[in-house]
Amino acid sequence: GAVVSQHPSRVICKSGTSVKIECRSLDFQATTMFWYRQFPKQSLMLMATSNEGSKATYEQGVEKDKFLINHASLTLSTLTVTSAHPEDSSFYICSATPGEEKLFFGSGTQLSVL
Amino acid sequence: AQSVTQPDIHITVSEGASLELRCNYSYGATPYLFWYVQSPGQGLQLLLKYFSGDTLVQGIKGFEAEFKRSQSSFNLRKPSVHWSDAAEYFCAVDGDTGRRALTFGSGTRLQVQP
Repeated sequence: GAVVSQHPSRVICKSGTSVKIECRSLDFQATTMFWYRQFPKQSLMLMATSNEGSKATYEQGVEKDKFLINHASLTLSTLTVTSAHPEDSSFYICSATPGEEKLFFGSGTQLSVL
Repeated sequence: AQSVTQPDIHITVSEGASLELRCNYSYGATPYLFWYVQSPGQGLQLLLKYFSGDTLVQGIKGFEAEFKRSQSSFNLRKPSVHWSDAAEYFCAVDGDTGRRALTFGSGTRLQVQP
């Protein structure tokens, strides 16, 4: 079946540094990918929609300058958390669709900012 | 705006007992409906989905869900729960059908007693 690979699965960084998270569709082309954020014991909240070759669409309240999204190819979207702070610590998860009413999720990235 | 309500934050059942997890949605039309399961620190696994057609949907691991338009509900059921079913369960909707950006409910944590 289709697989979405997300890397790294876990990252710890110092406050003020930037962290890049990759989301790859391994066996299909994904014109659209989505990024979600999940705080401990809470639900997933959509952060942004990543479209190949164009700017991402951010949900209300999500800082686009802090959460940089790049979708440079049909199989890769990256989320960069810039100047990370402890309040950015969260579980980030991506999803990708090849169309045809299909949707696949990555395994998530646990970000801890010290 | 579309919304998803999972009224039960936490449910405990005995192994072998039946299970029903509730999900109600608010949307003008019939959205695409999903149930996902998440183990601690893990990504999401799709249990089942409803797009159209038969309102009783069969999923993996012995789960099923029934779409009731009159009640705007999509409750998840399992006739006999196994200890391995202990996890967090999320109901989600794709109200902008075709876009695949999901709105998630707040989740229901299932505990299974021996």
